Amino acid sequence: RKEVEQDPGPFNVPEGATVAFNCTYSNSASQSFFWYRQDCRKEPKLLMSVYSSGNEDGRFTAQLNRASQYISLLIRDSKLSDSATYLCVVNRGTGGFKTIFGAGTRLFVKA
Amino acid sequence: GAVVSQHPSRVICKSGTSVKIECRSLDFQATTMFWYRQFPKQSLMLMATSNEGSKATYEQGVEKDKFLINHASLTLSTLTVTSAHPEDSSFYICSAGQDGNTDTQYFGPGTRLTVL
Repeated sequence: RKEVEQDPGPFNVPEGATVAFNCTYSNSASQSFFWYRQDCRKEPKLLMSVYSSGNEDGRFTAQLNRASQYISLLIRDSKLSDSATYLCVVNRGTGGFKTIFGAGTRLFVKA
Repeated sequence: GAVVSQHPSRVICKSGTSVKIECRSLDFQATTMFWYRQFPKQSLMLMATSNEGSKATYEQGVEKDKFLINHASLTLSTLTVTSAHPEDSSFYICSAGQDGNTDTQYFGPGTRLTVL
């Protein structure tokens, strides 16, 4: 089983739709959590950090549930420019610091 | 935000040659940099952690003699793929945490290596 798991998608949604991505992690010692966005053939870019209290940035809302080891990303009012791959990222400190990337969820927003 | 550059952005080489990729933090010091590899439609896989002034820490399954890492200064880490083969063709990306904070990583633009 992968340490960080995501639904690969693709999610095909119309402009203006609300879409939610989920991610689960297996290592309970994981310390910090992020969503990154990666466009085709480009490097990942930090979208937002994820906290238990929830984190909102404009149309994007991220949530962490430590008890269930589950992370979510909600995108409201989807734009064409939101089309990308969204990577769930987990940092764990035990056994040596390490960043684990999920395989990503592909999103296509259509006009 | 912090800027990380990589050079070259794309390289095509013959099998058996060595290729050096540079990763630079342009506006901050990076005591630790990370090297990743990404095959098509797959996630980023950490290859090694590059520590300034000391030996790199390699992930399991990554050959340290094949992927040579040098982190000679606080702003530069290099990855040399020695005796490259077609199966080494991939997207290589480095990242660094700003001022020693590895919680949030800033990524270089990546280097696409094609070995013929």
